[in-house]
Amino acid sequence: EDQVTQSPEALRLQEGESSSLNCSYTVSGLRGLFWYRQDPGKGPEFLFTLYSAGEEKEKERLKATLTKKESFLHITAPKPEDSATYLCAVRRTETSGSRLTFGEGTQLTVNP
Amino acid sequence: NAGVTQTPKFRILKIGQSMTLQCTQDMNHNYMYWYRQDPGMGLKLIYYSVGAGITDKGEVPNGYNVSRSTTEDFPLRLELAAPSQTSVYFCASSYAGQGYSNQPQHFGDGTRLSIL
Repeated sequence: EDQVTQSPEALRLQEGESSSLNCSYTVSGLRGLFWYRQDPGKGPEFLFTLYSAGEEKEKERLKATLTKKESFLHITAPKPEDSATYLCAVRRTETSGSRLTFGEGTQLTVNP
Repeated sequence: NAGVTQTPKFRILKIGQSMTLQCTQDMNHNYMYWYRQDPGMGLKLIYYSVGAGITDKGEVPNGYNVSRSTTEDFPLRLELAAPSQTSVYFCASSYAGQGYSNQPQHFGDGTRLSIL
């Protein structure tokens, strides 16, 4: 059974204070690891897909990296508008319907 | 583009009532999904569909039914609502096909359902 564990559950930062969120996964044949951002009262918004160990993707203050066991979402000099819940999900190679298994998310709060 | 549209946004039901949550997408995606999200529990897959007329169960299908008569629409039916079905429900869609093997899922903004 695929498992995705995100840590920490919640993270509070000061504006400009860089940090990282962790996503550890156990999956038989990783086909893709996905990061989403979810704002209160909204649906998840797609950020990145990572496919293989060593891959990195960047978008503004966010950088996602992938190893064979975990992914990190690095947030550099965060701003209050980066406050959201960040979700990680994995897709297995032999999966009907391209299904995803989600972690429980990390709730990030950035104070001004 | 509207993307994935869910209606209603909020609903309160009494125990034992039935209702249908509507989901429609205008991106010509062939795959569609229904999830529920409980506080601190992440997203759990209820049902999914790989095309019109084809549906299958996810992790937590009990108490729900779906149908897919068109590419655009994927309604979720609750029969005999129970308090355990109080949750936020999200619909998502994605495209899978030749040369598009690993597309992300795109989500609607959810239906918040309370059963009292």
